[in-house]
Amino acid sequence: RKEVEQDPGPFNVPEGATVAFNCTYSNSASQSFFWYRQDCRKEPKLLMSVYSSGNEDGRFTAQLNRASQYISLLIRDSKLSDSATYLCVVNPASYDKVIFGPGTSLSVIP
Amino acid sequence: EAGVAQSPRYKIIEKRQSVAFWCNPISGHATLYWYQQILGQGPKLLIQFQNNGVVDDSQLPKDRFSAERLKGVDSTLKIQPAKLEDSAVYLCASSLIAGGPSTQYFGPGTRLTVL
Repeated sequence: RKEVEQDPGPFNVPEGATVAFNCTYSNSASQSFFWYRQDCRKEPKLLMSVYSSGNEDGRFTAQLNRASQYISLLIRDSKLSDSATYLCVVNPASYDKVIFGPGTSLSVIP
Repeated sequence: EAGVAQSPRYKIIEKRQSVAFWCNPISGHATLYWYQQILGQGPKLLIQFQNNGVVDDSQLPKDRFSAERLKGVDSTLKIQPAKLEDSAVYLCASSLIAGGPSTQYFGPGTRLTVL
């Protein structure tokens, strides 16, 4: 089993739709979780951290379920500019090391 | 504030040739990372430096890859000899301290094609 797995995608959704991505991780001792966004042919950029109680940033909501070892990202009212690959990032017990998931591609269609 | 700089942006070589990539981190950032991102996959950490010392190089193919960070600032990543499967984007990132992904800033990457 891979350390971090994500929905394979791609997701093609119309503008205004709500879309959710899931990510699972294998190391139950993992401590920190993040979502990164990567535009086509660009470098990854931090989208948001994922906190145990769940957190929201505008149209984006992140959830963590430690018991089931998965995190999710919900995007409401999708915009064309949300089209990108969303990378799940997990920080295992070793604080410095991070592991990226394979990413889920999202295309928002007019 | 200037971001992480990398060069070259693109490189095309034939298999068995050598290639080197350069990275200049954000000024004052102590930690520097090199990642390999193959098309359709997430970035994979190759090596992590804390100042000019290696913290983690467990996934660096040491028979062909080498990296150094002299004086704890700029870094170079070398592949010698290159293989077809080395075709990927090589991303450099830096962080002020070894503080986890929320503090990592990525450069634009070097896209390597091995023919």
